[in-house]
Amino acid sequence: DAGVIQSPRHEVTEMGQEVTLRCKPISGHNSLFWYRQTMMRGLELLIYFNNNVPIDDSGMPEDRFSAKMPNASFSTLKIQPSEPRDSAVYFCASRLVGTQDTQYFGPGTRLTVL
Amino acid sequence: AQTVTQSQPEMSVQEAETVTLSCTYDTSESDYYLFWYKQPPSRQMILVIRQEAYKQQNATENRFSVNFQKAAKSFSLKISDSQLGDAAMYFCAYRSASSNYQLIWGAGTKLIIKP
Repeated sequence: DAGVIQSPRHEVTEMGQEVTLRCKPISGHNSLFWYRQTMMRGLELLIYFNNNVPIDDSGMPEDRFSAKMPNASFSTLKIQPSEPRDSAVYFCASRLVGTQDTQYFGPGTRLTVL
Repeated sequence: AQTVTQSQPEMSVQEAETVTLSCTYDTSESDYYLFWYKQPPSRQMILVIRQEAYKQQNATENRFSVNFQKAAKSFSLKISDSQLGDAAMYFCAYRSASSNYQLIWGAGTKLIIKP
């Protein structure tokens, strides 16, 4: 199994630009998570999808953030417009509900907004 | 609300020796799951070990084992025969059985392996 795939691994952009992060979950998994990790706040859950439907987006910081999951094998997290305080590592994780419920993480995207 | 506390921001151990990382949690629930994740410099979060609260037997995975003390709400991770590749941040996490997705994370412990 290829594991959770994220792209890009690194993104450097300027304030005000649109940023799109991509995630391919493990094949067969039916839940997907987007997290943000910073030194100050640790690991924060941004949004949780189950069967492609957003279940909990209470962690999405502002309207500038949006996430979609058009099908079971792809999700995006978009920031528009980006700000320097959005600089962080963004993780995608997936799991198969009904088994051990363990979340498997992707390698993360390090976002730097200048 | 549930909380997870890792009281050791940093630990160091000599290669080949044993180290124990501590984790305590606060909950009023009786059914839950506990996890240890490892985050090496590559950043990827890797599951190390998982424990169901209803199981009295401590989980083990090769050189990794836990000491789960339910009454004390303690969930420590023991790493035996430490290797250089074990150097990483280690995060303890809690999930209530009644919440099928929300993980509560500790702040992490940085483990340094001395050659």
